[in-house]
Amino acid sequence: GQQVMQIPQYQHVQEGEDFTTYCNSSTTLSNIQWYKQRPGGHPVFLIQLVKSGEVKKQKRLTFQFGEAKKNSSLHITATQTTDVGTYFCGLWAGGYQKVTFGTGTKLQVIP
Amino acid sequence: NAGVTQTPKFQVLKTGQSMTLQCAQDMNHEYMSWYRQDPGMGLRLIHYSVGAGITDQGEVPNGYNVSRSTTEDFPLRLLSAAPSQTSVYFCASTLGQNTEAFFGQGTRLTVV
Repeated sequence: GQQVMQIPQYQHVQEGEDFTTYCNSSTTLSNIQWYKQRPGGHPVFLIQLVKSGEVKKQKRLTFQFGEAKKNSSLHITATQTTDVGTYFCGLWAGGYQKVTFGTGTKLQVIP
Repeated sequence: NAGVTQTPKFQVLKTGQSMTLQCAQDMNHEYMSWYRQDPGMGLRLIHYSVGAGITDQGEVPNGYNVSRSTTEDFPLRLLSAAPSQTSVYFCASTLGQNTEAFFGQGTRLTVV
C-alpha cells in the first residue's frame, strides 16, 4: 500500500531558526495531510493538500505539495517554543478508507 | 460537543489479562480507527471501520479485536495482554473520505 517516509526523525533548533520536515513517497499521492502533536497530547489536524504544486500558509507555517504529488514539506519560519511537538504527515489510503501516517518529526526548540 | 472520547486515560495490566479500550464520538462520523504510538514508530493503524457493522484490519492487528455495532462507538479489545502491547493508543474519527481526522486524548497502557 501507499507509504510515506518522513525526515528528519528529530530536529533541535534554536528559537528563531527555521525548520522543515519532509514526507516522500515512491508513488503518486492523491492528497496529504499534516498534523501536530504537542508533548503528552494527541495529534491535531493542521491542513490538507490536494493539488499538484499547492502551497498553503498558516501564519509562520508553509505547506507544499510537490509538482509530481510524491512529496510534501512543512516549513516553519522563525520557530518559537510553542512550535515544540511532533509533526506527522498522513494520507488517505486503501481506497480512501483509512488514514496512514509517516513516522513523524519531533521538533525541539531551544530558547 | 465532546468530539472523540477515550477511556480510560491510563491503565496497567498484567500479562495475560484482557481489557477493552472505549472510544466514542458524537460527531456522527462514519469512519473510525485505532492507532498505537510507540517511540520512533509513528502512528500505526490497528483496525478501522467505515461504518456500523464494517471493520477491517490495519498494519498491526494481531492481539486486538474490534466491533462497530453503532456509529458512535468503536471499542478495542485486547484479548490476552502482552508486554509488547505497552503503548499509547489513539482512537480517531473522520466524517468521510479525504477529511480531517479527529483524535481522542489517548490511553496510556502498560503491560507488566
